[in-house]
Amino acid sequence: GAGVSQTPSNKVTEKGKYVELRCDPISGHTALYWYRQSLGQGPEFLIYFQGTGAADDSGLPNDRFFAVRPEGSVSTLKIQRTERGDSAVYLCASRQTSYGTGELFFGEGSRLTVL
Amino acid sequence: AQKVTQAQTEISVVEKEDVTLDCVYETRDTTYYLFWYKQPPSGELVFLIRRNSFDEQNEISGRYSWNFQKSTSSFNFTITASQVVDSAVYFCALSEAGQAGTALIFGKGTTLSVSS
Repeated sequence: GAGVSQTPSNKVTEKGKYVELRCDPISGHTALYWYRQSLGQGPEFLIYFQGTGAADDSGLPNDRFFAVRPEGSVSTLKIQRTERGDSAVYLCASRQTSYGTGELFFGEGSRLTVL
Repeated sequence: AQKVTQAQTEISVVEKEDVTLDCVYETRDTTYYLFWYKQPPSGELVFLIRRNSFDEQNEISGRYSWNFQKSTSSFNFTITASQVVDSAVYFCALSEAGQAGTALIFGKGTTLSVSS
């Protein structure tokens, strides 16, 4: 596609529920990143994929968070047993390659609200 | 450890004023990249510039200019003759180039409000 697409744009859920957030990167981009942005803060790194594999998941806050990218394109961020503190905008970004440091192209984010 | 500090939380200016957004970074690497992104109210982060650690030349792009000073670990961003459309949150970010795929580390951002 023309840009990074994220769905849903808004998600409201109740504490304890399971949530999936989807990211469709720019076609041909091999590197995909998930970030979380809380109100008034900069984006915080969660996980990055090179192809199908998670190359660095050091930013995932705990084991309730998990992400997959089974075919090396679309990625899904999964949050189990959601907590109110998980409320944030989840940003996805892609880059043509993980090597070098070209710019990241960001989607508009998925705003998650946990009641 | 990597760190990016944007000390200015909010800045308000009137149209046509010049404004400088400060960015100070910390890294142990000798090879790294610095970035500026703009986040308008729509929420999407828009890339503005990338600068590598070996290129200290200042850069100008239209009304935007960047001043990179390794000696003070700063990468400041100046908007000349600001316009209302410049109102956004601006983020400075750092990436260490030593490892492939290293993620960008962002500062907390500076909210710029330009009034007419």
